[in-house]
Amino acid sequence: KAGVTQTPRYLIKTRGQQVTLSCSPISGHRSVSWYQQTPGQGLQFLFEYFSETQRNKGNFPGRFSGRQFSNSRSEMNVSTLELGDSALYLCASSLGQGTTEAFFGQGTRLTVV
Amino acid sequence: GENVEQHPSTLSVQEGDSAVIKCTYSDSASNYFPWYKQELGKRPQLIIDIRSNVGEKKDQRIAVTLNKTAKHFSLHITETQPEDSAVYFCPSGAGSYQLTFGKGTKLSVIP
Repeated sequence: KAGVTQTPRYLIKTRGQQVTLSCSPISGHRSVSWYQQTPGQGLQFLFEYFSETQRNKGNFPGRFSGRQFSNSRSEMNVSTLELGDSALYLCASSLGQGTTEAFFGQGTRLTVV
Repeated sequence: GENVEQHPSTLSVQEGDSAVIKCTYSDSASNYFPWYKQELGKRPQLIIDIRSNVGEKKDQRIAVTLNKTAKHFSLHITETQPEDSAVYFCPSGAGSYQLTFGKGTKLSVIP
């Protein structure tokens, strides 16, 4: 079956702009989690959506937001981009219940200039 | 919230030697402890996981041990090979849908 797909793979944006990233989970998975990965900081949890509802949220400013559609695809939006937002953004899909495996997408590399 | 600390941050071993990575967590509600391997330029991939009702799990050359009382768990890789070189992460959480990650351990296996 198809894996987790993230688009686009690479993005270059200017400070102050906004950006939308997309994540299509594995068929049948209802949970999509988003993570920010930067060198030296590991993966930091942004938020998690399950059945179109934000169920969990990490410690990021309100400029970071997301949503999930009825087909479980999720989007993440970052407004008023800052240089420090440059990172690899990863999403992970899972069934959303219990401890079944979470599968990661290949990520979107965002560069803010 | 949950806090995960991982040690060491970098680890170099000779091919064929063993490698051990240790993690501690803070939230006693955490009951899921997967290990992810991320090769350079690739996505993190699950290599082994353990749940709170199990103390040890082994899969060929890799094993994970869990001490819930002390809130720490470890990854053991035996007979290391160059393809084991990667960054390893030890998140924890109440479920696989909300994981708190440590900063990772960069393992280098020297041929």
